[in-house]
Amino acid sequence: ETGVTQTPRHLVMGMTNKKSLKCEQHLGHNAMYWYKQSAKKPLELMFVYNFKEQTENNSVPSRFSPECPNSSHLFLHLHTLQPEDSALYLCASSQDEDRGPYEQYFGPGTRLTVT
Amino acid sequence: AQSVTQLDSHVSVSEGTPVLLRCNYSSSYSPSLFWYVQHPNKGLQLLLKYTSAATLVKGINGFEAEFKKSETSFHLTKPSAHMSDAAEYFCVSGSARQLTFGSGTQLTVLP
Repeated sequence: ETGVTQTPRHLVMGMTNKKSLKCEQHLGHNAMYWYKQSAKKPLELMFVYNFKEQTENNSVPSRFSPECPNSSHLFLHLHTLQPEDSALYLCASSQDEDRGPYEQYFGPGTRLTVT
Repeated sequence: AQSVTQLDSHVSVSEGTPVLLRCNYSSSYSPSLFWYVQHPNKGLQLLLKYTSAATLVKGINGFEAEFKKSETSFHLTKPSAHMSDAAEYFCVSGSARQLTFGSGTQLTVLP
């Protein structure tokens, strides 16, 4: 399998559930990202991991908890979500270097619906 | 700080006619610039990237973009639209671990 994969592709969960999103990249990159894409809003960067260390956390509520066990895998653990958390969650990866061009490669996303 | 502005939120063209999606950037230095495309319920796919090697950049599916420093623009063009081009297009500025996204342009292709 190539590129960036995400599972599941669709997820419906209640506000009291706990679930996890999984992302795997097969590109040999060393940086991974979680984004949230809501209708009518720009993409929001949530978390950045570089060499398995979290380097960015853009004021994301604690009900979202990332985990990066190695440079190929990234998880987003979800608990006690709110309906406004319903969105498309995108994972991306890149080769983090001092010099650009810094392009990121995206997975197909997980469509999350919180009921 | 970097920013990108996509000048049109919606563009409609007829199949077989040219496509022009406009993007202006704001940066204090020569940026890395990209165009991404997103089809419904799919992730973002990289169309092309500008890295200062050449001002005219060719991408996939017949798309190209021209970097014009004097106009701070990076417009996306295609000579002849195809039905499969209907999607949302994002102009993006990049730096280390940070992508700045434009608000997107929805392209409709009419038969």
